[in-house]
Amino acid sequence: AQTVTQSQPEMSVQEAETVTLSCTYDTSESDYYLFWYKQPPSRQMILVIRQEAYKQQNATENRFSVNFQKAAKSFSLKISDSQLGDAAMYFCAYRHSNTGNQFYFGTGTSLTVIP
Amino acid sequence: GAGVSQSPSNKVTEKGKDVELRCDPISGHTALYWYRQSLGQGLEFLIYFQGNSAPDKSGLPSDRFSAERTGGSVSTLTIQRTQQEDSAVYLCASSLERWLSSGGDDTDTQYFGPGTRLTVL
Repeated sequence: AQTVTQSQPEMSVQEAETVTLSCTYDTSESDYYLFWYKQPPSRQMILVIRQEAYKQQNATENRFSVNFQKAAKSFSLKISDSQLGDAAMYFCAYRHSNTGNQFYFGTGTSLTVIP
Repeated sequence: GAGVSQSPSNKVTEKGKDVELRCDPISGHTALYWYRQSLGQGLEFLIYFQGNSAPDKSGLPSDRFSAERTGGSVSTLTIQRTQQEDSAVYLCASSLERWLSSGGDDTDTQYFGPGTRLTVL
């Protein structure tokens, strides 16, 4: 079974600084998708970034980028120039590409941005 | 356009009562998911609907939980004889999933609703 582990329950970062959130996953598959979702206090889950496993290039979305290490099964999220609005719970998620319908989510990392 | 909507936003009920939670997916989205998020936990998959296919109910925790999706659009999650451990936020998500000619699926992004916070007293 696929599992997703986020080993950092809480993280904090100074405004304008950079922070990296960790995520590891366990799978025997070669084709899959990885996601980072953000959940602010409003509860609305918002997609931050996604990565297709067959792509070697790390995905980037403005201030958000990932470090995808397929062999190590690691998928960390880097937030640059942190802003107060980045404060939220961040969830890492996995989905196999060809079979199954389930997304597997980690337990989340609560990010605090210090002014 | 409108996103995924859920109602009610909050529901307080007494132990043993039945509750219905509603999800309106984004128009045209063929896939619909229900998740449960308990305090301090990640998202627990409950059920998945895709078009006219039989739903994947593998995540439903007990036979007190059921869900239906009428006309391939609106979905209702029903919890019968609620228990205190059912207290959680119930999230719905929809996506537009496209099937590649190879037979695989091109996973599209899940768009989440704001959730329903269920409290069972």
